[in-house]
Amino acid sequence: NAGVTQTPKFQVLKTGQSMTLQCAQDMNHNSMYWYRQDPGMGLRLIYYSASEGTTDKGEVPNGYNVSRLNKREFSLRLESAAPSQTSVYFCASSMLAGGYNEQFFGPGTRLTVL
Amino acid sequence: RKEVEQDPGPFNVPEGATVAFNCTYSNSASQSFFWYRQDCRKEPKLLMSVYSSGNEDGRFTAQLNRASQYISLLIRDSKLSDSATYLCVVNSFTGNQFYFGTGTSLTVIP
Repeated sequence: NAGVTQTPKFQVLKTGQSMTLQCAQDMNHNSMYWYRQDPGMGLRLIYYSASEGTTDKGEVPNGYNVSRLNKREFSLRLESAAPSQTSVYFCASSMLAGGYNEQFFGPGTRLTVL
Repeated sequence: RKEVEQDPGPFNVPEGATVAFNCTYSNSASQSFFWYRQDCRKEPKLLMSVYSSGNEDGRFTAQLNRASQYISLLIRDSKLSDSATYLCVVNSFTGNQFYFGTGTSLTVIP
């Protein structure tokens, strides 16, 4: 099992460009999450999907959109990238949305917006 | 007030030492608690889930104090390979969101 995979691993964008970050999991998990990690800020939740067909905003959703394509895949889209979106983006999945349900993370996408 | 707060450190300890990290959380209705380990420029990896009042796994012991709203992680007999950042994670009241501390940096010195 590959666990949680993310593409691309690195990306450089110019201000105003758009891109989609891809995430897939092969653990048959119901819930998937997108986080960003900035120095001194910890991981912050952008969007999550508690189950296939549902998505909800997290702590920092502005400037992002998501699509839960199917149970395996959850994509994050930046419609018009801004320098403030320079960050490391992690996708995660868990079996359920709450309780003692550990999250498993992908390797991350390092995004720089110039 | 932040949902989860940790002492950022850094903690620099010799091999074989015992080190403890503390983490406090603000929402008394929080349901579940975790410690993750994150190596430089890597993804967080689950170290321990904290059940009821605590959990032990080899050299690692996690404890939960709901009355004081803090979680601790104790590492005994530190190894060089324990050098990493340790993240405290709290699951929200609704169960749908996880809140992360900023992490505590540990370096184990030979």
